[in-house]
Amino acid sequence: GESVGLHLPTLSVQEGDNSIINCAYSNSASDYFIWYKQESGKGPQFIIDIRSNMDKRQGQRVTVLLNKTVKHLSLQIAATQPGDSAVYFCAEPGGGADGLTFGKGTHLIIQP
Amino acid sequence: ETGVTQSPTHLIKTRGQQVTLRCSSQSGHNTVSWYQQALGQGPQFIFQYYREEENGRGNFPPRFSGLQFPNYSSELNVNALELDDSALYLCASSLVGGSGETQYFGPGTRLLVL
Repeated sequence: GESVGLHLPTLSVQEGDNSIINCAYSNSASDYFIWYKQESGKGPQFIIDIRSNMDKRQGQRVTVLLNKTVKHLSLQIAATQPGDSAVYFCAEPGGGADGLTFGKGTHLIIQP
Repeated sequence: ETGVTQSPTHLIKTRGQQVTLRCSSQSGHNTVSWYQQALGQGPQFIFQYYREEENGRGNFPPRFSGLQFPNYSSELNVNALELDDSALYLCASSLVGGSGETQYFGPGTRLLVL
């Protein structure tokens, strides 16, 4: 079964508000996590990653938080814009050359 | 844009046929991974190619095969197509082999099997 899962399939937020997308993982040995954004009809786009020796990493308008104690990952998007509307996936390496394991994704909907 | 390109963008085949999908990796990347994404699901890892050899494989049958060329471009071949093979096929390139490096995805090829 999948080791990476998401709590909510759909998240609706008002434009300008902050968005928080959550992800749980089951493999405590995972040492690298990635967030991807996938817009309709496009391939996944890398947003931000974090290694297990970090608790927090910030990018442009995005922050990823890692809580290894409860095996939880979150993506925070500040001042959500219409262009943020997409499906967001968290992913982790399957180990060695086993590729990435993705969850089912959270669909972020921006309301005007 | 990532610089990863895929062709064709869309394809329609019938059950039992064979298909070849193509991918050009981002400049400087020597590793290509292929994924299958069914509608409403996350991508599923098919296999990875590094230095022209298969470097890891997911839970896909042998009728899914691939190649990597000296210029690091890659092909995914699927024989004896089944209806369930209808999906978006994604290729991703990375700097080195393994799964601990960031993978950058192309736009995908949408395959419909009738």
